Amino acid sequence: EAQVTQNPRYLITVTGKKLTVTCSQNMNHEYMSWYRQDPGLGLRQIYYSMNVEVTDKGDVPEGYKVSRKEKRNFPLILESPSPNQTSLYFCASSMSGTGNTGELFFGEGSRLTVL
Amino acid sequence: AQSVAQPEDQVNVAEGNPLTVKCTYSVSGNPYLFWYVQYPNRGLQFLLKYITGDNLVKGSYGFEAEFNKSQTSFHLKKPSALVSDSALYFCAVRDGTGGFKTIFGAGTRLFVKA
Repeated sequence: EAQVTQNPRYLITVTGKKLTVTCSQNMNHEYMSWYRQDPGLGLRQIYYSMNVEVTDKGDVPEGYKVSRKEKRNFPLILESPSPNQTSLYFCASSMSGTGNTGELFFGEGSRLTVL
Repeated sequence: AQSVAQPEDQVNVAEGNPLTVKCTYSVSGNPYLFWYVQYPNRGLQFLLKYITGDNLVKGSYGFEAEFNKSQTSFHLKKPSALVSDSALYFCAVRDGTGGFKTIFGAGTRLFVKA
């Protein structure tokens, strides 16, 4: 089954304790992206990757890091989480070659609470 | 710069009645337009898209959307609402002439009452 898998689905942590949210897709998609969802703000892009070893900032990258060492994985790293990073996070992937229209496939979401 | 506006935070409709969820967009090039749906505690699911061609596009679960270039709108519609359609709906736009960035609206919550 084609899917995007995120872990953990739920996490409560404390300020300053490094954490990683993993994302893996089994569709051989080149493009992967992280979004955060906050009430009234919709989805805002944190980082994206057009392919292995190619990453770039989205609209709200502060406080986050990413890496793309393998095509299927795109982890989101919070080096020193703060309460304003409490949010619902989504990983998404898409084909990105010429002619592809880029509809996104989303994971189930990771709800993060930073105390 | 790209932007998407969903002017209604919430839409209420009775089961069996037609529904419309509104979306307007701004993009410098040719718009690629999308609708996604989010059910409680789930990720977003792709519903339909407009890339080119016929202005009326049909998607999953009986939904359709009408692209109006002059009004820069892409409203989501369904002729007869079901209670199970109750969810959060997101409109999204991508500039089809370059780049791969997708911008999402703030979302519209649809309540369908039995």
